[in-house]
Amino acid sequence: GESVGLHLPTLSVQEGDNSIINCAYSNSASDYFIWYKQESGKGPQFIIDIRSNMDKRQGQRVTVLLNKTVKHLSLQIAATQPGDSAVYFCAERDSAGNNRKLIWGLGTSLAVNP
Amino acid sequence: DTEVTQTPKHLVMGMTNKKSLKCEQHMGHRAMYWYKQKAKKPPELMFVYSYEKLSINESVPSRFSPECPNSSLLNLHLHALQPEDSALYLCASSQGQMSYFSYEQYFGPGTRLTVT
Repeated sequence: GESVGLHLPTLSVQEGDNSIINCAYSNSASDYFIWYKQESGKGPQFIIDIRSNMDKRQGQRVTVLLNKTVKHLSLQIAATQPGDSAVYFCAERDSAGNNRKLIWGLGTSLAVNP
Repeated sequence: DTEVTQTPKHLVMGMTNKKSLKCEQHMGHRAMYWYKQKAKKPPELMFVYSYEKLSINESVPSRFSPECPNSSLLNLHLHALQPEDSALYLCASSQGQMSYFSYEQYFGPGTRLTVT
């Protein structure tokens, strides 16, 4: 089956720095991608999403970039804060199968040092 | 109301017990999901209900039995579980009509299940 992977399992940054979390995917037919943040003891929380007909989308302090040529997705967090410490998951929609199914990446743990 | 609620928060059960997990949402969503999540792993899809009908069963053992009594409620009935079933069980919901806006899933806080 197709899978979504991550380049780095852990990332440590200084407070105030920008963070970049990367995600590789292998299904070129995927048409929708989403980032979730999961804090310890909580359920995943939506951060931002992007469709395959876009290459960039911005939210509040977050930007998602999509490079379909190399099948790469990244999440950029500006001015990282201690509250950003969490595990971040990328996921893609399984467009070839059931439309409601998301295929999840392995996750990246982000630690923000004060 | 943009919340998915789950009860109980924590559950400890023996291998011969029968228990149920409950999930509720009042966002008018018509798709609801059960996921299982082990520590330091991504959520694994178990079941999907679409308009109160089971649309996906990811080959989950029969000791897990889902139920969707109405569009706001989702239950997961547990019976004769094994210690390896200990995990965080997450419920999620999304809009019913298939469109770009329906792909986002809203998650509850989860039920931490321990099987002894």
